[in-house]
Amino acid sequence: QKEVEQDPGPLSVPEGAIVSLNCTYSNSAFQYFMWYRQYSRKGPELLMYTYSSGNKEDGRFTAQVDKSSKYISLFIRDSQPSDSATYLCAFIYGQNFVFGPGTRLSVLP
Amino acid sequence: EAGVAQSPRYKIIEKRQSVAFWCNPISGHATLYWYQQILGQGPKLLIQFQNNGVVDDSQLPKDRFSAERLKGVDSTLKIQPAKLEDSAVYLCASSLDRLSADTQYFGPGTRLTVL
Repeated sequence: QKEVEQDPGPLSVPEGAIVSLNCTYSNSAFQYFMWYRQYSRKGPELLMYTYSSGNKEDGRFTAQVDKSSKYISLFIRDSQPSDSATYLCAFIYGQNFVFGPGTRLSVLP
Repeated sequence: EAGVAQSPRYKIIEKRQSVAFWCNPISGHATLYWYQQILGQGPKLLIQFQNNGVVDDSQLPKDRFSAERLKGVDSTLKIQPAKLEDSAVYLCASSLDRLSADTQYFGPGTRLTVL
């Protein structure tokens, strides 16, 4: 079983849709949970981070963590064409950093 | 505030040649990271520095990769000799310190193609 699994997509949605992006993981030692957005030919950009189970909201973005089931989700409300990018989940435990493979999202005008 | 700077942005070399990448982190950031991102995959951490000391280099292929951060600011990552499988984007990131690792800032990356 891979340490982190993420649907590679691509995921295409119409503008204004609610988008749900998910990661499952196997390592129960993961302490920090993050979502990064990566535009083509750019470095990843941190969107959200949390260290506890539950929901965290920031504008149109909501991060959800369920440690008991070992999955995290990112919801994007009112999606915009500018949200078209690859979304990477990421985890920290100790001094270790683990990224998921990313999900490519296209928001169509 | 200036972001993380990397150069060159693109590099094409033949296998068995050597190559070096440069990174200038955000001013005041003590922790610096080098990642390798192969096409279609997430970044993989190669090495982490705290000031000019190595915190973790367990995933760095030390037979061909080396990195240094001599004065605790800029850093250089070198590959010698390069292999075809080294073709990837090399990302540099920095954070205020190791306790702020959850808020890393990434540079644009150097795209390496090994022919």
